[in-house]
Amino acid sequence: QKEVEQDPGPLSVPEGAIVSLNCTYSNSAFQYFMWYRQYSRKGPELLMYTYSSGNKEDGRFTAQVDKSSKYISLFIRDSQPSDSATYLCAMSITGGGNKLTFGTGTQLKVEL
Amino acid sequence: GAGVSQSPRYKVAKRGQDVALRCDPISGHVSLFWYQQALGQGPEFLTYFQNEAQLDKSGLPSDRFFAERPEGSVSTLKIQRTQQEDSAVYLCASSLVSGNSYEQYFGPGTRLTVT
Repeated sequence: QKEVEQDPGPLSVPEGAIVSLNCTYSNSAFQYFMWYRQYSRKGPELLMYTYSSGNKEDGRFTAQVDKSSKYISLFIRDSQPSDSATYLCAMSITGGGNKLTFGTGTQLKVEL
Repeated sequence: GAGVSQSPRYKVAKRGQDVALRCDPISGHVSLFWYQQALGQGPEFLTYFQNEAQLDKSGLPSDRFFAERPEGSVSTLKIQRTQQEDSAVYLCASSLVSGNSYEQYFGPGTRLTVT
């Protein structure tokens, strides 16, 4: 079993929908949690970065971390076709100089 | 400012050939990471440098893989005697490591195809 589990999708939603993306993990030592967006044939782009439990909001994006349940989420409000991409969750034990452990990525398509 | 750059963007190698992949991190970034991303999967850690010191190489899949960062800036990932299972996208990331800033920023990757 992988340390980080993520539903690969694909997930298809209409434009304007609220999207919920999730990851579960097994290693309770993870402290830093990230969401990356990856367009086809591009490198991952950092969207959200949170430390420990709690919520963080940035524009249309909200990241939630529930360490007690080992569960993290990314919500996208008012989804746009330009949000169509693969979304990768990633986490690390310490912040500086520590390797990221990624989920497999969820492929999202936002349709007109 | 300039992001992480990688070259070449695409590389086709015959089985058994050696390849060298280059990463130029963001200027001033102390930490540099290499990841391998197979098709339909998330990136997997290969190795980590802090300045010129290779502090973690636990993810390198075999002794055919070798990475260096001799002057603490540009890094090269070398794969000797390539095999078909080495076909993947190789991603480089750099990180500033200052205060609470530990975010890793990725380059576009090098897509390696071994035939």
